[in-house]
Amino acid sequence: GENVEQHPSTLSVQEGDSAVIKCTYSDSASNYFPWYKQELGKRPQLIIDIRSNVGEKKDQRIAVTLNKTAKHFSLHITETQPEDSAVYFCAASSGLVGANNLFFGTGTRLTVIP
Amino acid sequence: DTGVSQNPRHKITKRGQNVTFRCDPISEHNRLYWYRQTLGQGPEFLTYFQNEAQLEKSRLLSDRFSAERPKGSFSTLEIQRTEQGDSAMYLCASSPHTGAPNAEAFFGQGTRLTVV
Repeated sequence: GENVEQHPSTLSVQEGDSAVIKCTYSDSASNYFPWYKQELGKRPQLIIDIRSNVGEKKDQRIAVTLNKTAKHFSLHITETQPEDSAVYFCAASSGLVGANNLFFGTGTRLTVIP
Repeated sequence: DTGVSQNPRHKITKRGQNVTFRCDPISEHNRLYWYRQTLGQGPEFLTYFQNEAQLEKSRLLSDRFSAERPKGSFSTLEIQRTEQGDSAMYLCASSPHTGAPNAEAFFGQGTRLTVV
């Protein structure tokens, strides 16, 4: 099955700096890569996703890049703000029969220092 | 609230007891997922329904776990003879069937189970 690894496990940045979180995956059939933000005691919320037919996607301060050859994808947050502090999870899915679920990384705890 | 709803939010039970959780997905979402999340980890897939059909089950879903979605709307997850290792947050998610193989999954707030 799919194995998703995520680094770093914790990340502290000064407000206004950029944050980068990296994930690798093992299943070459994976073609959908969402990123979720989870604040303490709250549900995971989708912040951005990318499909394998594109290499980069951007939404305001958030961007995701995908390298299918190397099987890795990254989340980039620019101009970080204290409200960006949360745990971020990457995930991968192939959507094939028998593999419709998401495989999650272990999470990155981001702290933005005011 | 038109989001995914889960009940109860918290459940404390004694080891060996049975527990049942309920998930109400977003209306008209025909895909429903159950995940388990332990402290410091990402959600782990348990099972998946498309309408009332249970199409996928993880090896994590032991024979003490059973899930149903009888009318293709709400779903229940039952754990029989609970063990301390079952303590976790149980998350439900739903997504629409768009024809594409993957669609955005919306999560509920989860049911936190503590087995004492």
